[in-house]
Amino acid sequence: NAGVMQNPRHLVRRRGQEARLRCSPMKGHSHVYWYRQLPEEGLKFMVYLQKENIIDESGMPKERFSAEFPKEGPSILRIQQVVRGDSAAYFCASSRGLSSYEQYFGPGTRLTVT
Amino acid sequence: DQQVKQNSPSLSVQEGRISILNCDYTNSMFDYFLWYKKYPAEGPTFLISISSIKDKNEDGRFTVFLNKSAKHLSLHIVPSQPGDSAVYFCAASKSSGNTGKLIFGQGTTLQVKP
Repeated sequence: NAGVMQNPRHLVRRRGQEARLRCSPMKGHSHVYWYRQLPEEGLKFMVYLQKENIIDESGMPKERFSAEFPKEGPSILRIQQVVRGDSAAYFCASSRGLSSYEQYFGPGTRLTVT
Repeated sequence: DQQVKQNSPSLSVQEGRISILNCDYTNSMFDYFLWYKKYPAEGPTFLISISSIKDKNEDGRFTVFLNKSAKHLSLHIVPSQPGDSAVYFCAASKSSGNTGKLIFGQGTTLQVKP
């Protein structure tokens, strides 16, 4: 399966805990995007990363959220001290590069904060 | 500020007929547009795209039309099939700058009745 992989598919956390969401891009893709979809809404851009670099984090909340895409391994979206409002579907997408506008999405991680 | 809008939350069409999904945008800097299809509990799947230098792009049963002066694009599906029932998102991007982030509309739920 050469598609975008995300895990876990479902994640339940209590308020105040940390959530870690993982994303492995498609083979040959070096650009990773994270989007969040709140209930009944469209997808909202959060952050754009290349290997070891955050290129655009204009959609990231100022506190508690961070993202990385290390030289080796998957991209990680980390949410510290989760609150109920963080409950959403988080999607990762990858692309070959800036010249390729088509982004290919993973199945998403559904985060539920209790 | 909703820069990409899909004003019809839902659309119901008979199998074999044409489905027309609409999308409006406000930012004249957008120069690349995409349509994605999404089933419940899955990630969005890329369908078709169009550059602002074109006014039409066709791929099988799917055609996207772009009217730059009206800042409007539409997706035509002919003939519609029950398997096309899903949520359809339009998205926009701009080539200027160093980010390829996509701005999504809220989505339109298409139901194709057998």
